[in-house]
Amino acid sequence: AQSVTQPDIHITVSEGASLELRCNYSYGATPYLFWYVQSPGQGLQLLLKYFSGDTLVQGIKGFEAEFKRSQSSFNLRKPSVHWSDAAEYFCAVGVYSGNTPLVFGKGTRLSVIA
Amino acid sequence: DTGVSQDPRHKITKRGQNVTFRCDPISEHNRLYWYRQTLGQGPEFLTYFQNEAQLEKSRLLSDRFSAERPKGSFSTLEIQRTEQGDSAMYLCASSYGQGGNQPQHFGDGTRLSIL
Repeated sequence: AQSVTQPDIHITVSEGASLELRCNYSYGATPYLFWYVQSPGQGLQLLLKYFSGDTLVQGIKGFEAEFKRSQSSFNLRKPSVHWSDAAEYFCAVGVYSGNTPLVFGKGTRLSVIA
Repeated sequence: DTGVSQDPRHKITKRGQNVTFRCDPISEHNRLYWYRQTLGQGPEFLTYFQNEAQLEKSRLLSDRFSAERPKGSFSTLEIQRTEQGDSAMYLCASSYGQGGNQPQHFGDGTRLSIL
């Protein structure tokens, strides 16, 4: 069964600084990978997804992520963080079996300071 | 695309009562998922439907939980004889197609509080 690890529970960055959120997955084949963002009291919004092809994927709100098969990682990056980026970020893995739902990591809470 | 809609947004009830939540997916989406999210955790899968057929249920879904999607459109999740441990955010998501590569679109959730 697939699994996702987000090693950082909470990260604080200064506004304008760069950001990298880590995600490691466990799955025997090429997975489908997703990053979602959740603001307090809200549902999850899809930031970006990786299925195949180019290992660097671009998403909304200036986010990007890079799939590294050798490291089983799918880290999320943003070159310059805005205060509005403060939220909870979830990495998720899916597979093509057709009958398997997403498996989420426990999330990383991002705080942005002035 | 009006998004996934969930009702109610918040539900407060006493232990032992039954509760029912509703989810309206994006109209052309054939798949509908229910997840549960507790504080400090990521969403955990409960069950999912393809059209009106319930294809998979998690072991988290005890016999007090039941979900339906009678016409392949909206879905309901019922919890009978609620317990303190049922307090959580219940999230609904929908997607289109057959494979796991289709992104799931989430509603804003129903937050359940058990007194």
